[in-house]
Amino acid sequence: DQQVKQNSPSLSVQEGRISILNCDYTNSMFDYFLWYKKYPAEGPTFLISISSIKDKNEDGRFTVFLNKSAKHLSLHIVPSQPGDSAVYFCAATAGGGADGLTFGKGTHLIIQP
Amino acid sequence: GAGVSQSPRYKVAKRGQDVALRCDPISGHVSLFWYQQALGQGPEFLTYFQNEAQLDKSGLPSDRFFAERPEGSVSTLKIQRTQQEDSAVYLCASSLIAGGPPGGELFFGEGSRLTVL
Repeated sequence: DQQVKQNSPSLSVQEGRISILNCDYTNSMFDYFLWYKKYPAEGPTFLISISSIKDKNEDGRFTVFLNKSAKHLSLHIVPSQPGDSAVYFCAATAGGGADGLTFGKGTHLIIQP
Repeated sequence: GAGVSQSPRYKVAKRGQDVALRCDPISGHVSLFWYQQALGQGPEFLTYFQNEAQLDKSGLPSDRFFAERPEGSVSTLKIQRTQQEDSAVYLCASSLIAGGPPGGELFFGEGSRLTVL
């Protein structure tokens, strides 16, 4: 049973427009959420995170929104750039620390020129 | 080195062979995690070390999987009698402090891709 779900395997967005990647979770114990970006043949790299006590966190072109009641979060990238083309993983943890992260399957974002 | 280093990058094994995958975390990092990423899936937690102590091995899929970090730095993930379903990318990640997020950022290596024929 997947506790973190990314229902869109891929997403194509025109350069300069907004990219919106979605993530749903089922475990109400999750209290910290992260987005990782992964290029081919590289390890995931941390992008942005949000605590369950917040509903928005912004870092430059990247904003993460959290809707706890809907158990839903989204990553907004604006404006989208060619270098944003990658696989994006949503991840969550409950209580932090040694529990490890629970990842979604990822969404492959393709930025069209 | 500057980042987490894993070796070998690629490994092809015949079914039944034993394999060993190595992870060199960032120097001084206390926490070390192993994840398994099957094709088309997200990474799945295998095990966690705090220094040399293996505090959580609940994600190891079977007793054929064994991990160690004897001196609290380099870690080895060993898979005995490999099976085809073991084919995956094995990712290692380290964190400066005990535990991972939110307290400590996780830094991932490039992974070791294992193919079992």
